[in-house]
Amino acid sequence: DSGVTQTPKHLITATGQRVTLRCSPRSGDLSVYWYQQSLDQGLQFLIHYYNGEERAKGNILERFSAQQFPDLHSELNLSSLELGDSALYFCASSARSGGTDTQYFGPGTRLTVL
Amino acid sequence: GENVEQHPSTLSVQEGDSAVIKCTYSDSASNYFPWYKQELGKGPQLIIDIRSNVGEKKDQRIAVTLNKTAKHFSLHITETQPEDSAVYFCAASMNQGGKLIFGQGTELSVKP
Repeated sequence: DSGVTQTPKHLITATGQRVTLRCSPRSGDLSVYWYQQSLDQGLQFLIHYYNGEERAKGNILERFSAQQFPDLHSELNLSSLELGDSALYFCASSARSGGTDTQYFGPGTRLTVL
Repeated sequence: GENVEQHPSTLSVQEGDSAVIKCTYSDSASNYFPWYKQELGKGPQLIIDIRSNVGEKKDQRIAVTLNKTAKHFSLHITETQPEDSAVYFCAASMNQGGKLIFGQGTELSVKP
């Protein structure tokens, strides 16, 4: 158990809908990262938040947005969902924001768009 | 852009044999190289990592080597056991931003 929690574990929804994925980092960690894992693209970095502020963006679609709240939990919002958005979404946390900090991954949310 | 290539994509070994997975990275500014193990239905679990000021690191049956000149790093697992069967990912990162660039993964199968 990494100490990172994600909810829900599974999510099934229809095209065009909007969903919110939630992540709670390990106790004391200030950084949260979101990654998408799909069969064709592998594990891809989406976005990084540190202590409530956005620090880096990867190949995140404009339909996707995220935020980190004062209690350090983070939410990833996916809107106007398409079939291709079906994937595993992981969040990871680290103590600080440096690139050499160890990132601990949560168990993931499996999103299925029908 | 940043890229990490990982080989092989699948690897099958007999229990007790060694397994080696290799990765190359494109960005010479990369200075942190973690390895993750992912079991079915679970998130990636860190098994070992190495930073650019170190050439080799070992933790029991697992070792990682880094060649910064060749931009190449490898994972070595000795005395493999069936519970080592999983997908292994290498990754690279730089100081800025902290994002991990992952390799494509290696599915390791250890046959009893």
